[in-house]
Amino acid sequence: QKEVEQDPGPLSVPEGAIVSLNCTYSNSAFQYFMWYRQYSRKGPELLMYTYSSGNKEDGRFTAQVDKSSKYISLFIRDSQPSDSATYLCAMSAEYGNKLVFGAGTILRVKS
Amino acid sequence: GAVVSQHPSWVICKSGTSVKIECRSLDFQATTMFWYRQFPKQSLMLMATSNEGSKATYEQGVEKDKFLINHASLTLSTLTVTSAHPEDSSFYICSASSQREIDTQYFGPGTRLTVL
Repeated sequence: QKEVEQDPGPLSVPEGAIVSLNCTYSNSAFQYFMWYRQYSRKGPELLMYTYSSGNKEDGRFTAQVDKSSKYISLFIRDSQPSDSATYLCAMSAEYGNKLVFGAGTILRVKS
Repeated sequence: GAVVSQHPSWVICKSGTSVKIECRSLDFQATTMFWYRQFPKQSLMLMATSNEGSKATYEQGVEKDKFLINHASLTLSTLTVTSAHPEDSSFYICSASSQREIDTQYFGPGTRLTVL
C-alpha cells in the first residue's frame, strides 16, 4: 500500500464548477499537509499549506484536513480553464522533513 | 520572492556521457535542497536531500555514485548524472527551503533529460 493515495483522474468539469480533490494516507505521523499545482513540464507550485487538522481558505481555494480519517481535500470554487493542471498532495511527518507526494490528479476545466 | 531556477531546462545527450544540472535559489538562502525525478504521469520521487556544506542523503535505491549531488553554497546545488543511459531519461526537479521557512519547499521549473 502506498503511503499516500490519490486518484490520478483525469477529472473533467465545466467552467464555474466546484472541484473536490482528495488524498488519503496511511501514516498517522503526518502533520504537515500541502497542495501543489503543476502545469505540464513545469515544477510544482505551492498552493496551500496546513498544519494538523482543520480548514484553510485562500481565495477560491479551501484545504481541509481530517487527521482522524487520514483524509485531506482541496476545494476549488468557480473553477476556471486556467485551473487545468495536475494537483499534487504532499505531506510530511516532521517540520522541514522530506515530503511524500501523492500521484497527482489531472484536472481539466472546460470553457 | 522564493524563486528557484534550474539550468538547463532541457538537455539531450548520448549514452555514456555525464550531464550536470544546476539548481539555484535566486532570492533566498537555501539551507536545504531536494532533488526529485518524475516519470510521465507519475508523481515526484525524492532522490536525495542535501544541506549546504554536507554530503547529500540519498533515498533507498538511488545510486549515489551515479547521481552526484553537490551543495557547495547557500544558493547553488548541482546534480550530475554520470555515465547516463536511456533509462535515466526523466524530468528532474529540485526544490529548496530556507532556515526561515524550513517546512516549505519551493520548486524549480525542472530539467528534461533525454539520453539517446
